[in-house]
Formats: sequence, C-alpha cells, structure tokens
Amino acid sequence: AQSVTQPDIHITVSEGASLELRCNYSYGATPYLFWYVQSPGQGLQLLLKYFSGDTLVQGIKGFEAEFKRSQSSFNLRKPSVHWSDAAEYFCAVVWGFKTIFGAGTRLFVKA
Amino acid sequence: DTAVSQTPKYLVTQMGNDKSIKCEQNLGHDTMYWYKQDSKKFLKIMFSYNNKELIINETVPNRFSPKSPDKAHLNLHINSLELGDSAVYFCASSQFTGRGGTDTQYFGPGTRLTVL
Repeated sequence: AQSVTQPDIHITVSEGASLELRCNYSYGATPYLFWYVQSPGQGLQLLLKYFSGDTLVQGIKGFEAEFKRSQSSFNLRKPSVHWSDAAEYFCAVVWGFKTIFGAGTRLFVKA
Repeated sequence: DTAVSQTPKYLVTQMGNDKSIKCEQNLGHDTMYWYKQDSKKFLKIMFSYNNKELIINETVPNRFSPKSPDKAHLNLHINSLELGDSAVYFCASSQFTGRGGTDTQYFGPGTRLTVL
C-alpha cells in the first residue's frame, strides 16, 4: 500500500542552525512530491514541490528539498532556521487525484 | 481576495445533530477536497471531486455527504454527529495537470468542529 513516512514527530533546533526534515514514501512509480507548512490555527501553505527534472528544488522562505529516487526520499532542508519557522511541516505525495500526507513533523526553534 | 474560504470557522453542536460546512474557491481549479485533521494533527483525505464528480471517497461513514453544486463549491453535510467527529475540517482546491496528478493544493482556513 502507498504510504508516506515522516519519522520525526518533533524536532528542536537553535535559531541559526541548519535543519533537515525527513520524508520517505512507498509507491511503485515516482509520484508528485510536496512539502507544506502549517502555522497554528491556519491551513496548509505550499513550501515547494517536485514533479520531474532537477532533483534539487527551491521553495519559499529559503527552504529546499532533494528528491532521491534510490531512497524514495524527499527531505526538506534549510541552512539557517529563523524563529518564525516554528510550525508543523507535512510531506505529501500525489498520484492521480489521490493525496497522502505524512503524519507531520513539529519544528520547535529555541533562541 | 480569499482563494479558498470556508464557513463557519467554528462549529459547536450536540451529539446527534446535523450540520453543514461550506467551501468556495475562486482560483478556477477543477478539483476540490475535504480533509479531516485530528487532535494529533494527522491529516486524512475524505473526499476528492473533479469537475463536480466524486473521484475519491476514502471509506468515510455515509453520515458524511459531500455535494458539489459547481466547480467552485464543495459543501460537506454531516448527519447524526458523533463525539469522534470532533476535528478540524479543511477544504482545499487544485488543478489536475493531466499527467501524473494534481498540482499544488490551496487550503481553506479550516472549520473546527466540536461535538458535545
């Protein structure tokens, strides 16, 4: 069955430190891949997406993600975290009209 | 202008009641969704509509009945509400790419449903 795994329920990083959030998926082919961010009390907002082509994609707010076919992974990175990045982050895979979201990773940023 | 709007934002009701949530998008998208987000933030797709036609129904109890009067609207009616229905319900819209799937989903602000 198709699935999306975000192995870290929560992560705490210091402001200014680098960040990597992990995402692995299980699917027979390469689906469309997305990262969304959710701030408290809000809906989800797109950070970046991958359909095909260059495996390193750039997104908003300084985020980037790398697609690795051999590892079925699409990890999100940011070189320097800001306090305003504290939020819930969701990886999602799409094929056809179906979407599966990962369980989310809650990011805490300490001063 | 709000891209995806939902009403109401909050809904508090008693068990056994019937309630509706409305969703509208002004992005010209052809696909709309309903998601349920539980208290642990787990986001699960409930329904997916394309051009007003139901495409995905993820084993949701038949107390939940979506209706899409046109491509810009997707409403959710819930009969005989139960305590377990308490959650945040999100509407979203996107455009089918015609290749591998649908493009970016744009989410509404959510409706927090509390069943007492």
